[in-house]
Amino acid sequence: GNSVTQMEGPVTLSEEAFLTINCTYTATGYPSLFWYVQYPGEGLQLLLKATKADDKGSNKGFEATYRKETTSFHLEKGSVQVSDSAVYFCALSFPSGGSYIPTFGRGTSLIVHP
Amino acid sequence: DAGVIQSPRHEVTEMGQEVTLRCKPISGHNSLFWYRQTMMRGLELLIYFNNNVPIDDSGMPEDRFSAKMPNASFSTLKIQPSEPRDSAVYFCASSISGTETQYFGPGTRLLVL
Repeated sequence: GNSVTQMEGPVTLSEEAFLTINCTYTATGYPSLFWYVQYPGEGLQLLLKATKADDKGSNKGFEATYRKETTSFHLEKGSVQVSDSAVYFCALSFPSGGSYIPTFGRGTSLIVHP
Repeated sequence: DAGVIQSPRHEVTEMGQEVTLRCKPISGHNSLFWYRQTMMRGLELLIYFNNNVPIDDSGMPEDRFSAKMPNASFSTLKIQPSEPRDSAVYFCASSISGTETQYFGPGTRLLVL
């Protein structure tokens, strides 16, 4: 079956540090890949996505590149802010019965200190 | 624009009681998903609907759980009877069928004592 593996957290960084959150996936075929972010007390919201190999998704200074050869979609940001503190979920999806059903990773908590 | 609306935001109940969670999807979205989030199991898909019809309920943990979508703007998730192991955050999400992005509500935090 399909699965997503993320690095365990929490990841604790100082403001302006470089961020990498690793994500690898197992899937039959070529899924679309996503990063969702969950701020405290809120639901998940889409951060970025990539739909085919070598695509780079980017938003709010975050980037991730779809690497088919390593089945990875690592999330990066050059300089984190306190406001980036949240839980980050990597996900993949395929179409199923007219909908796209995501498979989520366990989530990685990011804590950014001033 | 209003996002996905869930109610209540918090629910505390006693074991054995019936619990009903409610969701209003984004207007125009015709796919609706119910998820459960726990520390132990992460984010689990319970059931999803397309055009108000349940498509896959294989994630519903047991017969105590049921979900309905009587119309395009309302869905319920019911637990009867509730048990302490049902304590979790329950999310509703909606999307436009055939598109990839899901829009999540703020969740209902359920505590069963």
